[in-house]
Amino acid sequence: KAGVTQTPRYLIKTRGQQVTLSCSPISGHRSVSWYQQTPGQGLQFLFEYFSETQRNKGNFPGRFSGRQFSNSRSEMNVSTLELGDSALYLCASSSPGGGGRADWETQYFGPGTRLLVL
Amino acid sequence: GENVEQHPSTLSVQEGDSAVIKCTYSDSASNYFPWYKQELGKRPQLIIDIRSNVGEKKDQRIAVTLNKTAKHFSLHITETQPEDSAVYFCAASKAAAGNKLTFGGGTRVLVKP
Repeated sequence: KAGVTQTPRYLIKTRGQQVTLSCSPISGHRSVSWYQQTPGQGLQFLFEYFSETQRNKGNFPGRFSGRQFSNSRSEMNVSTLELGDSALYLCASSSPGGGGRADWETQYFGPGTRLLVL
Repeated sequence: GENVEQHPSTLSVQEGDSAVIKCTYSDSASNYFPWYKQELGKRPQLIIDIRSNVGEKKDQRIAVTLNKTAKHFSLHITETQPEDSAVYFCAASKAAAGNKLTFGGGTRVLVKP
């Protein structure tokens, strides 16, 4: 199976602009999670989408939003960009475990989108 | 919320020696503990995981142990090789929180030939 893919891989924006990042999960995976990775804060959870619904949300401002489509592809949007939003944005996909349980899910990461805000 | 602490932040070992990384977590409801390896410029890759109904799991040179009472888990790498050099992250999650992984701060491992 093809792995998780993310587009674009690199992005340069200026303060105040907005950006949309895309994530295509592994075929058959229905859960997509987003993480922000920075040298100072490490890996931080942004949100998770499952079957087109946001199932969980991290402690990020409302400028960070996301959505999931019926084919499980997901996008995240950051509006009014700030310098501190410069980071590697990773998405991860996973599939429900046996019997439809959603609690034993292994997450597979995409290569990330590196965003630089100037 | 959950808090995961990881130690040490850097670890230098001689090739062939063992490496041990320790993590503690705060939420006793956490029940899934994966370890990821991230090489420079690459995506985090799952190397091993353990669930709360298991105390130890091994995969070739890699093993993870879990102590639920003390709320800590450890990664053990034996017979280290230069290709083991990377940043390793531990994480924790619980069923009630869906797929939210809370990560430790990472350990930079350098294996010297």
